[in-house]
Amino acid sequence: GEDVEQSLFLSVREGDSSVINCTYTDSSSTYLYWYKQEPGAGLQLLTYIFSNMDMKQDQRLTVLLNKKDKHLSLRIADTQTGDSAIYFCAENRAAGNKLTFGGGTRVLVKP
Amino acid sequence: DAGVTQSPTHLIKTRGQQVTLRCSPKSGHDTVSWYQQALGQGPQFIFQYYEEEERQRGNFPDRFSGHQFPNYSSELNVNALLLGDSALYLCASSLGGGTVGSPLHFGNGTRLTVT
Repeated sequence: GEDVEQSLFLSVREGDSSVINCTYTDSSSTYLYWYKQEPGAGLQLLTYIFSNMDMKQDQRLTVLLNKKDKHLSLRIADTQTGDSAIYFCAENRAAGNKLTFGGGTRVLVKP
Repeated sequence: DAGVTQSPTHLIKTRGQQVTLRCSPKSGHDTVSWYQQALGQGPQFIFQYYEEEERQRGNFPDRFSGHQFPNYSSELNVNALLLGDSALYLCASSLGGGTVGSPLHFGNGTRLTVT
């Protein structure tokens, strides 16, 4: 099974906020990432956060990190139909620049 | 500024055959990692190349091998293909070998189908 856990599916109305959650297992993880994958495409890096931060904001994206609970979330403000995709969280463990991914959350934005 | 490019985009092979996939890293990057993404799953790390050597390896058999060239481009080779090798193979580039925190930039992948 995956070391990084994500819910499978999220449905949201256009204009609302989306929140995608992720739990990870390695407390020594130093960086945590969010990637977006559209159908038939590779992974697009959205944002990442260093483990000594609690929050990072980048335009419509807000990342929250709770190290105590090993919980990571991605909030997308004013969700648009173009945000429909699969979102992966990933942890970068201390040894080497190797990412461990969750199984992905499919986000469907309804007009 | 060219991103990560992979070729071919799609490939169909028969069980037992061998396949070579190719990757050119993002301009300025010197490290290439390969990931396998089975349908409906997250990517799984295969291995990482830096300075023309394999630096890290995931839980994949020896049938999976690779190479990095002096211009930083890379190849992934899979021998004795199995049906279970059918997947999207993603190449990612970064800077500085195993430097933690250098973001990985991914290509669009090669879709391999084994029949």
